[in-house]
Amino acid sequence: EPEVTQTPSHQVTQMGQEVILRCVPISNHLYFYWYRQILGQKVEFLVSFYNNEISEKSEIFDDQFSVERPDGSNFTLKIRSTKLEDSAMYFCASSRQPSGYEQYFGPGTRLTVT
Amino acid sequence: AQRVTQPEKLLSVFKGAPVELKCNYSYSGSPELFWYVQYSRQRLQLLLRHISRESIKGFTADLNKGETSFHLKKPFAQEEDSAMYYCALRVGPGGTSYGKLTFGQGTILTVHP
Repeated sequence: EPEVTQTPSHQVTQMGQEVILRCVPISNHLYFYWYRQILGQKVEFLVSFYNNEISEKSEIFDDQFSVERPDGSNFTLKIRSTKLEDSAMYFCASSRQPSGYEQYFGPGTRLTVT
Repeated sequence: AQRVTQPEKLLSVFKGAPVELKCNYSYSGSPELFWYVQYSRQRLQLLLRHISRESIKGFTADLNKGETSFHLKKPFAQEEDSAMYYCALRVGPGGTSYGKLTFGQGTILTVHP
């Protein structure tokens, strides 16, 4: 069964550095998402992406964040200048359509900012 | 704005006992409700959704629009049910949505032998 994959599984970076988290969605899916979960807190929506454009973003997704689908398979989340509070688990998800279809989640990337 | 509340952070039961994980939501339109489960060291996976009205691994959940609830129930808990359970809401078809899921805080279910 096809799965969403994410790399790396764990990323450690210093405050102020740029990080890129990578995701490979399921191949016939059209809608892509990033969520994050700070330790001990709920899973929070960051952004949805369709047709090479951001469809919706949350208040968390400020100018420090960007998303891109650089080729036909990868979907990336970039944090330009990381802060301590960016430390979290980041989940990528994909679905065929925005409603009526299941969202499939990747295993997550644990980002630690020191 | 949508909101999902799971009042219990932790729930412990013994094997064979009934279990109910509570979920309440607030949304003025017509929502899609889901239960996701995360077993130890595994990814989030869909357990069930209200529109399918099916039973998965013995779990059921009924959408009660009057009480704005979507509680998850299982009559006889098993040790392998121990996991983190998340209730989630998505704006339904016809609403302005691009698929965003709004999650509750999650409930850690522990089933003791």
